[in-house]
Amino acid sequence: ELKVEQNPLFLSMQEGKNYTIYCNYSTTSDRLYWYRQDPGKSLESLFVLLSNGAVKQEGRLMASLDTKARLSTLHITAAVHDLSATYFCAVDMNTGNQFYFGTGTSLTVIP
Amino acid sequence: NAGVTQTPKFQVLKTGQSMTLQCAQDMNHEYMSWYRQDPGMGLRLIHYSVGAGITDQGEVPNGYNVSRSTTEDFPLRLLSAAPSQTSVYFCASSVSGLGDEQFFGPGTRLTVL
Repeated sequence: ELKVEQNPLFLSMQEGKNYTIYCNYSTTSDRLYWYRQDPGKSLESLFVLLSNGAVKQEGRLMASLDTKARLSTLHITAAVHDLSATYFCAVDMNTGNQFYFGTGTSLTVIP
Repeated sequence: NAGVTQTPKFQVLKTGQSMTLQCAQDMNHEYMSWYRQDPGMGLRLIHYSVGAGITDQGEVPNGYNVSRSTTEDFPLRLLSAAPSQTSVYFCASSVSGLGDEQFFGPGTRLTVL
């Protein structure tokens, strides 16, 4: 069974600050996915990272993947209130077409 | 495109009742999946399908059945509802599965009394 751990689980940060969310997983995988969920809403895809060393950026969010360390990071630059949401990472096991999600990081950006 | 649609949005069942959650997508995606989301546990995969006529079990399949007779539709059946199945259910689809972003439906909030 593949375990996916995110930390922190809860994050409260001030506007304008930088922070990083971490996603660790327990078995070999070359692909990692980041999603965002607003309260009471569905999930929206942010990034798909498909290889070791992959880095993707969109606005104030940047995601990276280190498959050797089994670690992905989601870096937030100069946070704004609109980034308040829950962020999930997910991993597949290279085979089997199954996806495993982390428990999520609830981010609150305060003025 | 409507994307991924789910019905109903809310449902209350009594223990032992059965029901079907509907999911449809209009993007011609081969891969479709069902997840349940419980507080503090993220999303867990129930069943998935890589194409019409092909389904397989995910992480938590007990108590649920699926079928995929068309590319567009992937219904989830609860055979005999139990309070432990109280959850929010999301359907998702992607082009082919591994390596693709998944598009999620709006969710169904199910309560089993």
